[in-house]
Formats: sequence, C-alpha cells, structure tokens
Amino acid sequence: EDKVVQSPLSLVVHEGDTVTLNCSYEVTNFRSLLWYKQEKKAPTFLFMLTSSGIEKKSGRLSSILDKKELFSILNITATQTGDSAVYLCAVSLMNYGGSQGNLIFGKGTKLSVKP
Amino acid sequence: EAGVAQSPRYKIIEKRQSVAFWCNPISGHATLYWYQQILGQGPKLLIQFQNNGVVDDSQLPKDRFSAERLKGVDSTLKIQPAKLEDSAVYLCASSLGFNTGELFFGEGSRLTVL
Repeated sequence: EDKVVQSPLSLVVHEGDTVTLNCSYEVTNFRSLLWYKQEKKAPTFLFMLTSSGIEKKSGRLSSILDKKELFSILNITATQTGDSAVYLCAVSLMNYGGSQGNLIFGKGTKLSVKP
Repeated sequence: EAGVAQSPRYKIIEKRQSVAFWCNPISGHATLYWYQQILGQGPKLLIQFQNNGVVDDSQLPKDRFSAERLKGVDSTLKIQPAKLEDSAVYLCASSLGFNTGELFFGEGSRLTVL
C-alpha cells in the first residue's frame, strides 16, 4: 500500500528558530514530491521536487529530495509567527503511460511558532 | 486570476440526509480533483477528472458518493445518504493539465453530519 509518513506530527518553536520537517514515502511509480502549507483554509503550494539532491529554495524555506533513501526534508530558517501552519507532504504517482496520477498525502506536521 | 471556487463553505446535516457540493476550477484547468480531509489527516483523493472524463475514482464510496463534471468545467460532489463518518472538509483542486504536479486548492466545504 502506498504511504507517506511525516514527522514530527506537531512541533512548537520560538521565533527565530530553525526547523526541519521530515517526509518519508513508500510508493510504487513515484513521479514527484510536493510540499504544501495549510493554514485554516486551502493548502497552498510550496515546492515540487523530482530530482534527488537538488535543493529548492524560496526565501527562508528550502527543501531537498533523496530518492535513494525515499525521503524529503523541508527547512524553515528564522521562523516567524506567520509560519504557523500545517505542512503537508504529498507524493505524486505516475500512471501507466507516464502521466500524473493521484497525490498521496501525509498527515501533516503542525508547526506552532511562538513570539 | 480567480482561484478555485467552492460552495457552500459550511453545511450541517443529519445522518441519512443528502448534500451536494459545487466547485468551479481555475479557468482553463483541465484536471479537477475532489479530496476528503478528515480532521487531523491529510487529504485523500475521492475522484479525479480530466476534462469531463473520470481518470481515477477508485477511492470513491460509490454506494453513497457521486460526482460529475458534465461540461468539463465545474463539478458537483453528492453524498446520499450521509453517514457520521462523512464529516470532513471536502477540498476541490484543479491543475492546468494531466502532467503538472502543482494543484490549486479551493477553500473547502466543511461538512458536519449529526
């Protein structure tokens, strides 16, 4: 059965801290890995990773994928209270023929950043 | 650019009643998804459309759930009859094409079944 496991499930830090969120996966027909940020509303897209070892960066957020060890990390440096959210990891599967199939989501990591 | 629109935002019904949710994807997005997100869980795919055809409905409880996208644009998801365990947020998402990874989500429809 395809699965995506995130850790920790929740995390409380203080402003200015650096955090690392983990995502491991066991799926057939891996296509890509995506990170989303979910506040009280809709998940918003952060990164899509398809190749191992290539870091993607956006401001204070960065992410990298290891396709050999089947995991990804999301780093947030100099955290701010506005970073408080649930961070979802999802793996996109490949359909027969190479097109994109379903997204399998993890349960998410709830990050709380205290002033 | 307008985002994915969903309605209603909230719905409270009693078990065995029926409910329908509506979604209008981003203009030009061919692929539309319905996800169910139970509290404390990640979203789970219910059904995926490519234009007006169903690509994947393997996790849709077909005895009570149905969905359609007749003209390849907006979509409705219906639950009839509802059960207590259907209480969840129903998220609609769209993407530009079949091979793009980035999904754009609507704000969701929160269903409470009493």
